[in-house]
Amino acid sequence: SQKIEQNSEALNIQEGKTATLTCNYTNYSPAYLQWYRQDPGRGPVFLLLIRENEKEKRKERLKVTFDTTLKQSLFHITASQPADSATYLCALYNQGGKLIFGQGTELSVKP
Amino acid sequence: NAGVMQNPRHLVRRRGQEARLRCSPMKGHSHVYWYRQLPEEGLKFMVYLQKENIIDESGMPKERFSAEFPKEGPSILRIQQVVRGDSAAYFCASLPTGGEAFFGQGTRLTVV
Repeated sequence: SQKIEQNSEALNIQEGKTATLTCNYTNYSPAYLQWYRQDPGRGPVFLLLIRENEKEKRKERLKVTFDTTLKQSLFHITASQPADSATYLCALYNQGGKLIFGQGTELSVKP
Repeated sequence: NAGVMQNPRHLVRRRGQEARLRCSPMKGHSHVYWYRQLPEEGLKFMVYLQKENIIDESGMPKERFSAEFPKEGPSILRIQQVVRGDSAAYFCASLPTGGEAFFGQGTRLTVV
């Protein structure tokens, strides 16, 4: 069956450290994968999109990798700040155009 | 260009009543997705619509739930005869075609 799985446990890190979140998928062949941020009580906000022919993509302190062999994407936040505390979701489209989300990983950055 | 607008933000219904949730997509967007989210859980896909067409409703319960996206006006998610288990946050997202999805702020439905 098709699955998208993220670290189910919350991730707690110290300010200034790098946070690394994992997204694994099975039985999908996505052309690209997306990452979103969701704050409590609000809708998700798009962060980054990485295509299957891109190994790595960066945006300010964010870095995303995409390994289609391992069927995995890693999302990194460098020099993390308390304001980065949120739930981070990965998402991809199935062949029918349905946009599917992982269950999200809650990140908490302590000062 | 206003973002995706959902209303109401909060909706309280008694068991057995109907809930009608509205989503106005961004201008120029012809695709709408609806998701349901329970506390501490991820976004569960419900339905994918294009103007006047339901593309995929595989995540929507067969009974009591329906969705539409008419040629004019907002997309509507309708829940008939609500039960306590329908209490959740319902989010819609719009996009012009594939790629980045733009989400509304959600409607929090409480069934009492």
